[in-house]
Amino acid sequence: DTEVTQTPKHLVMGMTNKKSLKCEQHMGHRAMYWYKQKAKKPPELMFVYSYEKLSINESVPSRFSPECPNSSLLNLHLHALQPEDSALYLCASSQEFSSYNSPLHFGNGTRLTVT
Amino acid sequence: DAKTTQPPSMDCAEGRAANLPCNHSTISGNEYVYWYRQIHSQGPQYIIHGLKNNETNEMASLIITEDRKSSTLILPHATLRDTAVYYCIPRSGGGADGLTFGKGTHLIIQP
Repeated sequence: DTEVTQTPKHLVMGMTNKKSLKCEQHMGHRAMYWYKQKAKKPPELMFVYSYEKLSINESVPSRFSPECPNSSLLNLHLHALQPEDSALYLCASSQEFSSYNSPLHFGNGTRLTVT
Repeated sequence: DAKTTQPPSMDCAEGRAANLPCNHSTISGNEYVYWYRQIHSQGPQYIIHGLKNNETNEMASLIITEDRKSSTLILPHATLRDTAVYYCIPRSGGGADGLTFGKGTHLIIQP
């Protein structure tokens, strides 16, 4: 079990659909992250939120739109995706303090298929 | 962040110690070494991290060389459930800067 909960676990969507991925943590962490992982590849960072503000965007296409409505929730809104966007989308959280004791805690991801 | 070199794959017999090496020769003075693993179809799981000293927790031990250019993760009594991809990741202490994953080592525990 993980302390970072992602829903849904699986999602199939067409290229014209709009959908959202949800991530929730109740560890009091103030930094939250979205990663994308293609099959047989390592996870790649997409976005970082720190204290509910977007602090890193790794040049992600605008068809991916992150949102952090409060310190416990992180959403990823999807619109007009392409089949090559099919991947495992991982959410993570960490304390944003200046301390080495700040490992990232990951959820088990949403497996997205774009048809 | 420093680059890392890990063997692509390793085998280990069940019940034996698994020793996973990582070379991070370009690591800077303020970068910690983090280890994660990812079991198939799950999210990455934090294992352990350290700066200079050796570290041990309930999952593993981390041995960092004195020059900090390499480290070894030790799983003392490997089980079949330890089969996973193991990532060694240098990271600057603190801040919301994320983790940059390399290709990792696919550890296969043999019965």
